[in-house]
Amino acid sequence: GQNIDQPTEMTATEGAIVQINCTYQTSGFNGLFWYQQHAGEAPTFLSYNVLDGLEEKGRFSSFLSRSKGYSYLLLKELQMKDSASYLCAVMDSNYQLIWGAGTKLIIKP
Amino acid sequence: DAGITQSPRHKVTETGTPVTLRCHQTENHRYMYWYRQDPGHGLRLIHYSYGVKDTDKGEVSDGYSVSRSKTEDFLLTLESATSSQTSVYFCAIKGLAGDTGELFFGEGSRLTVL
Repeated sequence: GQNIDQPTEMTATEGAIVQINCTYQTSGFNGLFWYQQHAGEAPTFLSYNVLDGLEEKGRFSSFLSRSKGYSYLLLKELQMKDSASYLCAVMDSNYQLIWGAGTKLIIKP
Repeated sequence: DAGITQSPRHKVTETGTPVTLRCHQTENHRYMYWYRQDPGHGLRLIHYSYGVKDTDKGEVSDGYSVSRSKTEDFLLTLESATSSQTSVYFCAIKGLAGDTGELFFGEGSRLTVL
């Protein structure tokens, strides 16, 4: 079967750095997405990786290792507004998205 | 702004009643999706559409039907709602060609089946 694993919940301090991991086992691979979802709101797109390596976008970076079936989302200079759930999703060989259950990130002052 | 609206945003209904959720887009996107989101689960695909009158099932399609008679509207129908269909339902559209294929989501419809 297809599976996406990410931690259920993480806690970090304002101003710090946090890394959210995602491991996947899917039928084929056509890219990995990270989305942010604030409580009671819709998911919004953060990043996309299809090749190995690091993609940086402001305070957020996303890394991919296809050989290891692994990705992480790195958030720097954490702000209270970064408190949200972070969803990892992989596009499989049929171009369908397989979603992880999400990581709830709690930021403490 | 991807121009997606869902209605109703909130609905409480009773077991056995039919329910229709509407997704409306203003961007002329070809692909539209219906997902449900439940605690402890990732987003799960119910049905999707790749054009007018062209739809296909997702991983959790039992108990749901869809229709797309116009490009801009994608309807999700629960013929006879059950308590297990209590959930938050999200409609999504796929980004335009040349994008990475990311999805843009509507604000969600929270359905409670009593």
